[in-house]
Amino acid sequence: GDSVTQMEGPVTLSEEAFLTINCTYTATGYPSLFWYVQYPGEGLQLLLKATKADDKGSNKGFEATYRKETTSFHLEKGSVQVSDSAVYFCALSPEWGAQKLVFGQGTRLTINP
Amino acid sequence: NAGVTQTPKFRVLKTGQSMTLLCAQDMNHEYMYWYRQDPGMGLRLIHYSVGEGTTAKGEVPDGYNVSRLKKQNFLLGLESAAPSQTSVYFCASSSQGPNYGYTFGSGTRLTVV
Repeated sequence: GDSVTQMEGPVTLSEEAFLTINCTYTATGYPSLFWYVQYPGEGLQLLLKATKADDKGSNKGFEATYRKETTSFHLEKGSVQVSDSAVYFCALSPEWGAQKLVFGQGTRLTINP
Repeated sequence: NAGVTQTPKFRVLKTGQSMTLLCAQDMNHEYMYWYRQDPGMGLRLIHYSVGEGTTAKGEVPDGYNVSRLKKQNFLLGLESAAPSQTSVYFCASSSQGPNYGYTFGSGTRLTVV
C-alpha cells in the first residue's frame, strides 16, 4: 500500500544552519506530496505541496522538490530560525482511490539560538 | 474565523466507558477526517467522510464509530474505551479533498485508565 518514510528525529540545529529533512514515499502512479508542520500544542498546518513530478513547493523559506525517479520529497531551508522549531510531517495523497492523506511518522526539529 | 473546533480538549476515561468527540467546521467543507496521533507513528486515519450522510473506514477503525448527520459536524464515538485508545485525536476538513489542503483542529488529548 501507499506509505511515507521520514528521517528519524529528533533533529537539533543551531540558528542559521541549513536544514534537510528526508522524505521518501511508496505509491502507485503520481501521488500529490505535502509537508505539514505542527507547532507545540497546535494542530497541523499545510506548509507546502507539489502535485506533479519536478514541481517545487515553497513557503516561508522552505522548499521541497517532487522527485519521481527517487520517490523523494525532501524538505530544505537555507537558514533556520528558532521559530522553526516544530514537528514536520511528510504526506502523500494517492493518485487513485480514496481521497485521504497518508502521513509519515513526523520529524521533531529543535533550533537552538 | 473559527475554522475547525474540537471538543473537548482533554478527557480522562475509565476502561469500558463511552464518549463522543465533536468536530465542527464553519468553512462549508465537504470532506472531514478523524486521525489519531501516537508517538513515533505519525497520524493514522480512523474514519473519514466525503459529504453529509457519508462515512468510510480508514486505516485503524476498530473500536470507533462516526456520524456525519450535518455537513458541519463530524462525531467520533468510543463505545467501550480501552487503554490502547489513549492518544491525541485530530479532526481535519477539506473543501475538495487532500490536494486542496487540510485544515486541522487543535486536538483532543484522551487518556484511558
